[in-house]
Amino acid sequence: GAGVSQSPSNKVTEKGKDVELRCDPISGHTALYWYRQSLGQGLEFLIYFQGNSAPDKSGLPSDRFSAERTGGSVSTLTIQRTQQEDSAVYLCASSQDQNSYEQYFGPGTRLTVT
Amino acid sequence: DQQVKQNSPSLSVQEGRISILNCDYTNSMFDYFLWYKKYPAEGPTFLISISSIKDKNEDGRFTVFLNKSAKHLSLHIVPSQPGDSAVYFCAASAHNYGQNFVFGPGTRLSVLP
Repeated sequence: GAGVSQSPSNKVTEKGKDVELRCDPISGHTALYWYRQSLGQGLEFLIYFQGNSAPDKSGLPSDRFSAERTGGSVSTLTIQRTQQEDSAVYLCASSQDQNSYEQYFGPGTRLTVT
Repeated sequence: DQQVKQNSPSLSVQEGRISILNCDYTNSMFDYFLWYKKYPAEGPTFLISISSIKDKNEDGRFTVFLNKSAKHLSLHIVPSQPGDSAVYFCAASAHNYGQNFVFGPGTRLSVLP
């Protein structure tokens, strides 16, 4: 079946602009995660959605970052007033449910803020 | 402060030999550990996991060892193949932290033919 997909694959934006990154998880997976990987760094947890529960937003670095998950499926990560330090690869992952540790990752969106 | 450390940013191994990738953690509450492999321009893919109730888990050429007292785990790949060349991430989680996974910075493995 289809894996996790993300769009766009690459995004170049000017400092101060808003960007939206999209994630389509594997069908039927109730858990969805957003991470980012800056150059030379590991994966940094951003936010976690599980079913209809309130999301775990503990990893969001500032209030410029927000995410939604509509209908328990597609998720959008929004970064407002982008800064150069936001440049990174943003990865989305899904897992079957809250009891499953195995996460399936999408290919990522490479964001470059100029 | 990094809770999950992979102190070797890179490792080169000859094809057919053993690759050993190391991971150290500081949080004694971590009770589940995973290894992911990442090729360029792709997302990480799950490789193997281990629960803290075990000290070893094996899957084909891949074996993960856990030493809880030392807060150390390692991934062994035997025999190493050129297709194993990738970045390997160690990740840890604790039941009472929900599903918040902490990833290490990764080790780039190069398997030389």
